[in-house]
Amino acid sequence: AQKITQTQPGMFVQEKEAVTLDCTYDTSDPSYGLFWYKQPSSGEMIFLIYQGSYDQQNATEGRYSLNFQKARKSANLVISASQLGDSAMYFCAMSAKGGTSYGKLTFGQGTILTVHP
Amino acid sequence: NAGVTQTPKFQVLKTGQSMTLQCAQDMNHNSMYWYRQDPGMGLRLIYYSASEGTTDKGEVPNGYNVSRLNKREFSLRLESAAPSQTSVYFCASRGYTYEQYFGPGTRLTVT
Repeated sequence: AQKITQTQPGMFVQEKEAVTLDCTYDTSDPSYGLFWYKQPSSGEMIFLIYQGSYDQQNATEGRYSLNFQKARKSANLVISASQLGDSAMYFCAMSAKGGTSYGKLTFGQGTILTVHP
Repeated sequence: NAGVTQTPKFQVLKTGQSMTLQCAQDMNHNSMYWYRQDPGMGLRLIYYSASEGTTDKGEVPNGYNVSRLNKREFSLRLESAAPSQTSVYFCASRGYTYEQYFGPGTRLTVT
C-alpha cells in the first residue's frame, strides 16, 4: 500500500519569497512516480510537476522544483518567487509505475498556501 | 479539444435516489479514473479502467458501479445514494505518459 503524508495544513508566504511544501511518502513498490497538483478555489486540479523514482535529477518546471530525497522518502515542492495567484491548496500524490497499480494516484491531505502581498 | 468533460456540474439527491455521473475524454486515452474528494481532504480513487472493456476497484468502491461505455466514456453510478456520498467527484484520464488530466468535477450533495 502507498501512503502520502503532508504535515503542513497551512502555510503563509510573502509575495516574491520562496516557499517549501513538505511531502513524505511510503511505498513498497520499487518504481514509482511522485506528483504535485494545485487546486485553486475554483476547484480544478492542475498538474504542476512530476518526479520518477529513478530520475537522476530533481524535476523543475518554471518556478516549481521538486526536492526529491529518496533515502528520506520525501518529495518537497519548492515554489520560487511566490505570486498572489499561487494561493491555493497543494496536493502531493504518488503512483506505482508497474503492474496493475500503474496510474492509480494516492493523494495526501493537502496544504493550503496563502501568499501575502 | 475539450479534454475531460463531466456532467452534471452540480447535483442534489435525496437519500436512496440513484444517478449516473458522466465523463468523457477526447484525447484518445486508454486509462480513465473516478476519484472523490471530501471536504478538507485529498482525492481518493473509487474505480478505474485501464483500457476499454476493463474496470477495477480502487480504494473506496463501496456504493458505486462503473461502466466503460467505449474508449471515450466512463460513467459512475450511485444506485442508492447515502449522505456519506456527499462529495466532489473527479474524473481523470491518462494516455501513455504519467500525467493524468482531470475534469472540472461534479459537486454532489445527498440529503
